[in-house]
Amino acid sequence: DAGVIQSPRHEVTEMGQEVTLRCKPISGHDYLFWYRQTMMRGLELLIYFNNNVPIDDSGMPEDRFSAKMPNASFSTLKIQPSEPRDSAVYFCASSFDPLEQYFGPGTRLTVT
Amino acid sequence: EDKVVQSPLSLVVHEGDTVTLNCSYEVTNFRSLLWYKQEKKAPTFLFMLTSSGIEKKSGRLSSILDKKELFSILNITATQTGDSAIYLCAVEANGRKLIFGQGTELSVKP
Repeated sequence: DAGVIQSPRHEVTEMGQEVTLRCKPISGHDYLFWYRQTMMRGLELLIYFNNNVPIDDSGMPEDRFSAKMPNASFSTLKIQPSEPRDSAVYFCASSFDPLEQYFGPGTRLTVT
Repeated sequence: EDKVVQSPLSLVVHEGDTVTLNCSYEVTNFRSLLWYKQEKKAPTFLFMLTSSGIEKKSGRLSSILDKKELFSILNITATQTGDSAIYLCAVEANGRKLIFGQGTELSVKP
């Protein structure tokens, strides 16, 4: 299996622009997680899905962030409008068991 | 507020040394504690601990949980340069989601 696939791997955008991050989970995994990692705050859970349904979005920082999972093999995390403080590495992870998560390579987002 | 605290935040050792990484936690409805290793990219799963006093072992790495004192340690014996990484501790909190500590950055010098 190719593992969790994320795209793009790097994204540089200007403040105010819309950013869409993409994730393809491991086939057969029914949990999908979006995390954000920064030096200041470490690794934070933003939202997670079970069987394509959002279960907990309490970590989503504000209305500028939204996530969707239209099917079992694809999820997006959108930031609109983006701000410099959104600069971080965004990880997607998937699992059978919600705890033993397999992480993707991450998307490094820089908002200037 | 649920929290996970790791110490030290960074550590430099020489090959062959033994290191102990610490993780303490305060969460409601604790269910399990996990250790991850993060090299230059994504975290990779190492151990999951649910019961006190039972050591989990994988090669030179081992970990144990103390649910009474609310902490876990990760030991690495005979360290190698390939052990250089950030080691993350995470605790399962309410809603079966993970709360991560800040991580310990380990650097192993030849």
